[in-house]
Amino acid sequence: AAGVIQSPRHLIKEKRETATLKCYPIPRHDTVYWYQQGPGQDPQFLISFYEKMQSDKGSIPDRFSAQQFSDYHSELNMSSLELGDSALYFCASTTRVAGRPYEQYFGPGTRLTVT
Amino acid sequence: GESVGLHLPTLSVQEGDNSIINCAYSNSASDYFIWYKQESGKGPQFIIDIRSNMDKRQGQRVTVLLNKTVKHLSLQIAATQPGDSAVYFCLDSGYALNFGKGTSLLVTP
Repeated sequence: AAGVIQSPRHLIKEKRETATLKCYPIPRHDTVYWYQQGPGQDPQFLISFYEKMQSDKGSIPDRFSAQQFSDYHSELNMSSLELGDSALYFCASTTRVAGRPYEQYFGPGTRLTVT
Repeated sequence: GESVGLHLPTLSVQEGDNSIINCAYSNSASDYFIWYKQESGKGPQFIIDIRSNMDKRQGQRVTVLLNKTVKHLSLQIAATQPGDSAVYFCLDSGYALNFGKGTSLLVTP
């Protein structure tokens, strides 16, 4: 069965650079979530999209932005990278039934290292 | 969702024993609960869910029990295996976006 795809899997950037992470949800899933997970931390919710519109916003820094495209894939754009942005970034997707989301399916993550 | 908390940060069990991971929730209106498992370096993985019109739901080697009276649910893993070593999270509803502190299950030989 198709799973959530994230690219790249690993990314190394320097401070103050920009990065773009991509997420391809499971086919027919209309909702995408982004999470950040630092070492030894719980996944922290950043932002989500439903039918290409932002649906919820979590602890996403102003330096980050995201969008969901017409084919439902999503991109997380990160600018002015800081050392503290080094983390695993997960994308998850789900489909809603009668507008209600259920379990999320997570991708393998992108490991971002900022040096 | 409202606050959901796992009772113990770390649980150590011997291989072959049964494991029980507990979770309390505060929102009495919660009607759907999800358990996730996260292995080191991997994304959380859906294990099992349960709706509030059920007290028990069974999967493959896992059982979730829901006690709405005390707002408590538990995940039981039968015949725990080394591959069950992971952090387990419970969330109340598909709207819940904060994973909170999970319970780390360590399976010893």
